[in-house]
Amino acid sequence: EAQVTQNPRYLITVTGKKLTVTCSQNMNHEYMSWYRQDPGLGLRQIYYSMNVEVTDKGDVPEGYKVSRKEKRNFPLILESPSPNQTSLYFCASSPGTALEQYFGPGTRLTVT
Amino acid sequence: SQELEQSPQSLIVQEGKNLTINCTSSKTLYGLYWYKQKYGEGLIFLMMLQKGGEEKSHEKITAKLDEKKQQSSLHITASQPSHAGIYLCGADGNRDDKIIFGKGTRLHILP
Repeated sequence: EAQVTQNPRYLITVTGKKLTVTCSQNMNHEYMSWYRQDPGLGLRQIYYSMNVEVTDKGDVPEGYKVSRKEKRNFPLILESPSPNQTSLYFCASSPGTALEQYFGPGTRLTVT
Repeated sequence: SQELEQSPQSLIVQEGKNLTINCTSSKTLYGLYWYKQKYGEGLIFLMMLQKGGEEKSHEKITAKLDEKKQQSSLHITASQPSHAGIYLCGADGNRDDKIIFGKGTRLHILP
C-alpha cells in the first residue's frame, strides 16, 4: 500500500532534549516536505527536499533541521526543542512539485 | 510573499444544502490544490487546478479556478455528514518550490 509513515505519532518531551521525528514514503517520490499546523496559523511549510541531498527552507525553518540521505526518508530534527514548537507536524511526499501530495498521519508534539 | 486567504473560516450547514468555500491568492496561482482534513488527521487530496477557467468535479464536489488565476472556489452540492472536516487550499510558490496553504475552512454538517 502506498503510504507516508511518521513516527512517533505522539510525543511529549521537555525543553532542550533533542528529538527526531521520522518520515518514510514507499512511492519513490522525489519531493518531500515537513509542515506544522497550529490553530489560527494553518499549515506552514518547515523544510522541503527536491531529491536526495537537496533540501531547502520553507516558511518557518527556525529551530529545525532535516536531512535527505535516502530517497524514502526525510527525518525532522529538533536539536533543542522549545515550547513554541508544540504543534501538529505532517510529512508529505509527491512525485515532484506542482503535483498531488500524499500526507502522513501526523505527529502531535508537546514540549514542556 | 504569496498568501492564500480562505473564506469563510467556519461554516455550519444543514445536511442536504449546498455550500461554497473560497480561496483567494495575493499573486497569480501556478497550481491550486484542494485538500480535505478530518480533525487531527492527515490531508487527503481532492483536486488540482492549473489553467485559468478550469473546473473539475469529483462526486458532489466541484472546484473552479478563475480566468485570472487568483481565486478558486470549492462547491459542495447536497452536503452530507461525510463532507464535514477542514478544507484547505494550497498553492505552489511563485518561481520556487515552496508550497503554501490557506488557514482552512471548518465545515460542520447538521443532521
